[in-house]
Amino acid sequence: RKEVEQDPGPFNVPEGATVAFNCTYSNSASQSFFWYRQDCRKEPKLLMSVYSSGNEDGRFTAQLNRASQYISLLIRDSKLSDSATYLCVVKTYSGGGADGLTFGKGTHLIIQP
Amino acid sequence: ETGVTQTPRHLVMGMTNKKSLKCEQHLGHNAMYWYKQSAKKPLELMFVYNFKEQTENNSVPSRFSPECPNSSHLFLHLHTLQPEDSALYLCASSQDGDREGFNTEAFFGQGTRLTVV
Repeated sequence: RKEVEQDPGPFNVPEGATVAFNCTYSNSASQSFFWYRQDCRKEPKLLMSVYSSGNEDGRFTAQLNRASQYISLLIRDSKLSDSATYLCVVKTYSGGGADGLTFGKGTHLIIQP
Repeated sequence: ETGVTQTPRHLVMGMTNKKSLKCEQHLGHNAMYWYKQSAKKPLELMFVYNFKEQTENNSVPSRFSPECPNSSHLFLHLHTLQPEDSALYLCASSQDGDREGFNTEAFFGQGTRLTVV
C-alpha cells in the first residue's frame, strides 16, 4: 500500500466552482500534515499546514481525520490561477532527528474559464 | 526569490561522466534534503542531513553520493549514472525538531533538471 495516496485527476473545474481533494495516508504514526502546491516545471511550495482542528486560509480549507487517516483540501470560488498540482504531504517523527516529508503523487487541477 | 538556491538548473551528462549538484540555503535551517522527482511518480526522498550529519539514506544507489560540508551547503555527486536517473533533483531545507506537533515547512530550491544520455 502506498504511504500517501491521492487521486491524480485531472480535475477539470469551471472558474468559480468549489472543488475538494482527499488524501489518505498509511502510517498511523504520522504527526504533521501539509498541502503543497506545485506549478508546472516549478518547485513545490507550501500551501498550508493541516491541523487536527481543521484550518482555513482565505478560500482554502484543510481538514484532518486521524481516525480514518485522511486529509482534505477544499477550494472555494476557484480562480484560473489555482490551476496546479496539489501535493498531500505527511511527516512522521522517529525521535532521531530530521525526517523527510513523504509526498503523494499529487492531484492535477485545471480551472477552466 | 527562493531562500534555497540550486545550481546548475539544467544538466546533460553522459553515463561515464562525473558531475556535482550544488544546493545552498540562506534561511539558517538545520536540516537539508535531496529529493528526486521523476515523471508520473511522487517526490522520492533520497537523503536527509540534520546538523550536517546524514540521518537517512533511502536505499539510494551508490552512484549518488551526498556531501554536507556545513549546515548551509549540500552537494550531490553523480558518477556513472543511468538514463533512468534522468529526473528533476530538488533540494530542500527546514528548521527541524523531533517534538510532536512541531510542524516545519520545507522550502525547496528550483531544482536541477538532469538528463543522462
